[in-house]
Amino acid sequence: DAGITQSPRHKVTETGTPVTLRCHQTENHRYMYWYRQDPGHGLRLIHYSYGVKDTDKGEVSDGYSVSRSKTEDFLLTLESATSSQTSVYFCAISGGYSYEQYFGPGTRLTVT
Amino acid sequence: GQQLNQSPQSMFIQEGEDVSMNCTSSSIFNTWLWYKQDPGEGPVLLIALYKAGELTSNGRLTAQFGITRKDSFLNISASIPSDVGIYFCAPNSKLIFGQGTTLQVKP
Repeated sequence: DAGITQSPRHKVTETGTPVTLRCHQTENHRYMYWYRQDPGHGLRLIHYSYGVKDTDKGEVSDGYSVSRSKTEDFLLTLESATSSQTSVYFCAISGGYSYEQYFGPGTRLTVT
Repeated sequence: GQQLNQSPQSMFIQEGEDVSMNCTSSSIFNTWLWYKQDPGEGPVLLIALYKAGELTSNGRLTAQFGITRKDSFLNISASIPSDVGIYFCAPNSKLIFGQGTTLQVKP
């Protein structure tokens, strides 16, 4: 299994509070991704990173920001959480020129 | 955005039956990947296809990259209870995923 961890694994927070989710890899892969998974929508890309301090937006980036200060860590921040951001969040990594992604175990976020 | 249609959305089958699912798009892709997600876990890569017309097997799984490069198919033969989960297609040159096919297997 690829070395990917996500923290926290579960979080309940209130509307309007900031939330940061962490993805950590031990594979030294260049590319890292954040997805959200909701019933009926599959996996949707929020942001991705193609190197340290190099990030770009995905399909559903509104309300989210990311940072990557080290190869191994990719942080996803919800500046002011809303109920529509209740979801399961997955981090993924890929290396080189391969599109094959390896996923973390997910973080279940509930915004009340 | 990209139009990607995965079907069927769900299947409930008897153990031992064969399963077929597919993804179609209006766009041409150079890559088709298939993932499986077990309940409560992240998706895991099953098969990767990189050439139009390519047919690849992985145990009881067989996937094909459509010759038009707009579609892909996944077949599971002789299903078993551990095949339960959600199967996703992904033409990942665009970092998009199909909506998933939920498979349930009755012992």
